[in-house]
Amino acid sequence: GDSVTQMEGPVTLSEEAFLTINCTYTATGYPSLFWYVQYPGEGLQLLLKATKADDKGSNKGFEATYRKETTSFHLEKGSVQVSDSAVYFCALSGRGGGADGLTFGKGTHLIIQP
Amino acid sequence: GAVVSQHPSRVICKSGTSVKIECRSLDFQATTMFWYRQFPKQSLMLMATSNEGSKATYEQGVEKDKFLINHASLTLSTLTVTSAHPEDSSFYICSALEGNQPQHFGDGTRLSIL
Repeated sequence: GDSVTQMEGPVTLSEEAFLTINCTYTATGYPSLFWYVQYPGEGLQLLLKATKADDKGSNKGFEATYRKETTSFHLEKGSVQVSDSAVYFCALSGRGGGADGLTFGKGTHLIIQP
Repeated sequence: GAVVSQHPSRVICKSGTSVKIECRSLDFQATTMFWYRQFPKQSLMLMATSNEGSKATYEQGVEKDKFLINHASLTLSTLTVTSAHPEDSSFYICSALEGNQPQHFGDGTRLSIL
């Protein structure tokens, strides 16, 4: 079945550092890929998505590119802020667009220190 | 933006009790809602897909008689954990699908069975 693997946390960085959170997936067909973020005390929010190979999703300075050849969707940000501290989940939808239930990675806890 | 309300946010009850969790889409109609379960330091696992006016579709390994799902309207789905036992203690999260948009998530319900 489908699966998502993302790097274990916590990841601790200083403010303005470069961020990469790795995510790889296993799926049949052509899944859609997502990054969700969960801030302390809040629910999951969609951060960005990509629906086909070579698509780049971006939002709030975060980017991720759908790499079919490496089955990856790594999350990057050039300069992190303290307010980016949260848990980040990589996810996929077996059917395009997220119309079916999502398969999630375990989540990566990101801690940004001032 | 779209909001999904989940209630209660936390419940503590004795073993053998049945517990009902509500998931409401507040400003849109959701033909499909999803229920997930999250164990500590684990990813969200899809339990079932709930379609308005029809029976829920359960994932493999999820007991239908233990986790009753009702989706009686386009804005409300309920999950009832019947005769709950300590092993049912977990974090339950719902999400709702609005057309072709990515899923909107509730804030989750922390269930603790004593």
